[in-house]
Amino acid sequence: EAAVTQSPRSKVAVTGGKVTLSCHQTNNHDYMYWYRQDTGHGLRLIHYSYVADSTEKGDIPDGYKASRPSQENFSLILELASLSQTAVYFCASSPTGKNTLYFGAGTRLSVL
Amino acid sequence: AQSVTQPDARVTVSEGASLQLRCKYSYSATPYLFWYVQYPRQGLQMLLKYYSGDPVVQGVNGFEAEFSKSDSSFHLRKASVHWSDSAVYFCAVSYNYAQGLTFGLGTRVSVFP
Repeated sequence: EAAVTQSPRSKVAVTGGKVTLSCHQTNNHDYMYWYRQDTGHGLRLIHYSYVADSTEKGDIPDGYKASRPSQENFSLILELASLSQTAVYFCASSPTGKNTLYFGAGTRLSVL
Repeated sequence: AQSVTQPDARVTVSEGASLQLRCKYSYSATPYLFWYVQYPRQGLQMLLKYYSGDPVVQGVNGFEAEFSKSDSSFHLRKASVHWSDSAVYFCAVSYNYAQGLTFGLGTRVSVFP
């Protein structure tokens, strides 16, 4: 069974609208991450979290907020979606002290 | 800042042939090193990882990688590829497990019969 589940799998949003991407993990991992994937840029870290109710900025946090209401759930929020945020977004989890990330299947976001 | 370079954006090989994907990292210390694979419309899956010990590490599905400190490289190899190995392969590094991984741009591998 998929241990990191992302929803929705794809989404079309309008410029200026609010978008929420959700991630749920059943790995019992403390760490969770949000990456975006763009052609020519590989995967880049947006936000991460190591405990519920706390989030940290990654390498490209501008325009994104994150929320970790519980150990299992980690959301990525685009308050004002822009064309440049069209990408595939991946959530991942990792156990404390380990360097292995377990990825979800991704969410393809198109902002029009 | 750390960086990962995968010089080959695309590689095409015939089924049964050998495969080598190159990866070089930039940092003064030895990081944790990884290879991940992404099949079409799927997330990334780890093939193997290295931190210390034998510089040749074995992974899943017949893949192996060799670490070279002098060359700051971590190249991936497979002796005989199958059509199902067609995918995008990412090299990644980590210096601090809390902050996730830094990925290269990936190499798209196409295996032809």
